[in-house]
Amino acid sequence: NAGVTQTPKFQVLKTGQSMTLQCAQDMNHNSMYWYRQDPGMGLRLIYYSASEGTTDKGEVPNGYNVSRLNKREFSLRLESAAPSQTSVYFCASSGKPNYGYTFGSGTRLTVV
Amino acid sequence: RKEVEQDPGPFNVPEGATVAFNCTYSNSASQSFFWYRQDCRKEPKLLMSVYSSGNEDGRFTAQLNRASQYISLLIRDSKLSDSATYLCVVTPPTGFQKLVFGTGTRLLVSP
Repeated sequence: NAGVTQTPKFQVLKTGQSMTLQCAQDMNHNSMYWYRQDPGMGLRLIYYSASEGTTDKGEVPNGYNVSRLNKREFSLRLESAAPSQTSVYFCASSGKPNYGYTFGSGTRLTVV
Repeated sequence: RKEVEQDPGPFNVPEGATVAFNCTYSNSASQSFFWYRQDCRKEPKLLMSVYSSGNEDGRFTAQLNRASQYISLLIRDSKLSDSATYLCVVTPPTGFQKLVFGTGTRLLVSP
């Protein structure tokens, strides 16, 4: 089915470990986003990519890096995981301005 | 002040009831408005866009009041399957669309 695919779905890391969350969309969307969702905090934007070749910081970028590998793929990297990064991470994409997003199913990350 | 504020609920209603949620936004120049639905441990999904003239989709009606800076969602004839968290979403008045999400209002529909 067309949409946004995230991997992995679940991950447990030790403090200080690194990992990359993968995201791919097959809807030919220009824009892609990474959000984290924490209880009581709602969805907060980490990084976004308005178009292939560009990336920009969102509301909570510290501790993360991103790569827009091509139009389809947008990865999120945690270089040195911290317990404060325990969260649910959602990737999303959008094709038209003011049209809303399509989300992936999320990655549940626990840092111990 | 948060950009988007919602009553977290939960709103507990019986099947068949009508329920309404409001959401307020702080930036009067916000451009676009949406309601998303999120089921437990699932991703948010677009429920409907909110237009200045209001819009209706079956049992769901969304309204925008720019003067008072609030958005509403009305659900008629509630179903058990409507139980979810409803997220109010706006786009700020910048050159690029970045959605800003409220923390959500939880709805529980009981038999």
